[in-house]
Amino acid sequence: AQKVTQAQTEISVVEKEDVTLDCVYETRDTTYYLFWYKQPPSGELVFLIRRNSFDEQNEISGRYSWNFQKSTSSFNFTITASQVVDSAVYFCALNTGFQKLVFGTGTRLLVSP
Amino acid sequence: DVKVTQSSRYLVKRTGEKVFLECVQDMDHENMFWYRQDPGLGLRLIYFSYDVKMKEKGDIPEGYSVSREKKERFSLILESASTNQTSMYLCASSLPPRASERETQYFGPGTRLLVL
Repeated sequence: AQKVTQAQTEISVVEKEDVTLDCVYETRDTTYYLFWYKQPPSGELVFLIRRNSFDEQNEISGRYSWNFQKSTSSFNFTITASQVVDSAVYFCALNTGFQKLVFGTGTRLLVSP
Repeated sequence: DVKVTQSSRYLVKRTGEKVFLECVQDMDHENMFWYRQDPGLGLRLIYFSYDVKMKEKGDIPEGYSVSREKKERFSLILESASTNQTSMYLCASSLPPRASERETQYFGPGTRLLVL
């Protein structure tokens, strides 16, 4: 069975702090895809990144970076120098090829000025 | 630019009413999905569709049906709304299996439904 665990329900930081959101996944498939989505207060899920199981290179996009480690089944997301606009709920998700996404329960990030 | 729209941002309905939630995408995507989002449960898949007039049950289809008469439109139907269907409903679409980046789903803004 596929499962995604986001153990951190809510994280509060002060602006300019770095913050890491954890994601642990379970699957028996060898080919799979991992995603991060951002859900701001407006409600829409915004796609942030897609990573396939054969590509363990870390990725950096501006203040965002992702660390994919198959050995620990983790796909963690770090925001460097957080800003108030980063406040949102962040979801990690897993796709194992049948066009269906399995989501974690989300981590609410609160960035205060 | 990717665009998925949903007919209403907020809806209030009464128990027993028939409710239609509409979703439209303008990206010529073949796959469309309906999820519901509840606190502490994340997003759960209700139904999805690979093509016009095709539908597949997701993880929680009970109490719901869907309709896909045109490629760009996917409707979620609550035949007789109940209070436990109060939730946030999110529609998504994605490219077909033969396309690159096919696994990425793009979401609409969501509909917050309150059933009284």
